[in-house]
Amino acid sequence: AQSVTQLDSHVSVSEGTPVLLRCNYSSSYSPSLFWYVQHPNKGLQLLLKYTSAATLVKGINGFEAEFKKSETSFHLTKPSAHMSDAAEYFCVVTPGTGNQFYFGTGTSLTVIP
Amino acid sequence: DVKVTQSSRYLVKRTGEKVFLECVQDMDHENMFWYRQDPGLGLRLIYFSYDVKMKEKGDIPEGYSVSREKKERFSLILESASTNQTSMYLCASRPASGGLYEQYFGPGTRLTVT
Repeated sequence: AQSVTQLDSHVSVSEGTPVLLRCNYSSSYSPSLFWYVQHPNKGLQLLLKYTSAATLVKGINGFEAEFKKSETSFHLTKPSAHMSDAAEYFCVVTPGTGNQFYFGTGTSLTVIP
Repeated sequence: DVKVTQSSRYLVKRTGEKVFLECVQDMDHENMFWYRQDPGLGLRLIYFSYDVKMKEKGDIPEGYSVSREKKERFSLILESASTNQTSMYLCASRPASGGLYEQYFGPGTRLTVT
């Protein structure tokens, strides 16, 4: 069975401080994992993806995530938050084949000036 | 750049109306998806299509149907709209099946049923 748990529904950080958004997954297969960002009233935009290559994945806008199989985690980080990072973030897992995508319930990031 | 467009950003319909939501992608993608997004529930799959005229039910197909007559276009149909179908609807596409390929999302349609 596949599932995704985003451990925080809301995260608040000050501008210029690090961001950590946590994601744990459950997968019976070798999964692919994704982080998407959604700004208000917009669609989802891909930040980064892990597809069984390097475990440390770099994405757009300074975000990165590390795939840790032993911890079944795929946490999203950024060294320094910017006001424009305020948005909803979704962690997504898919097994190696097929068309099923399993979405977390989202983490809302607030950036305080 | 892949572009996924949805026919309306905002839509208001009355209970019992038949509603059509259209999605078009311009990158010759095989797979297309319809999701609904509700606060606290994340995205839930309604239907997806892996080829023209081919479709599979997702997690919440009740009250919805779909049509894919051309590769680039995937329509979601609410046969008789109800207030519990008020939601944000997101369309997505991807090149093919398999874990290597991410989904590309449209901007969403916010549907209100009164």
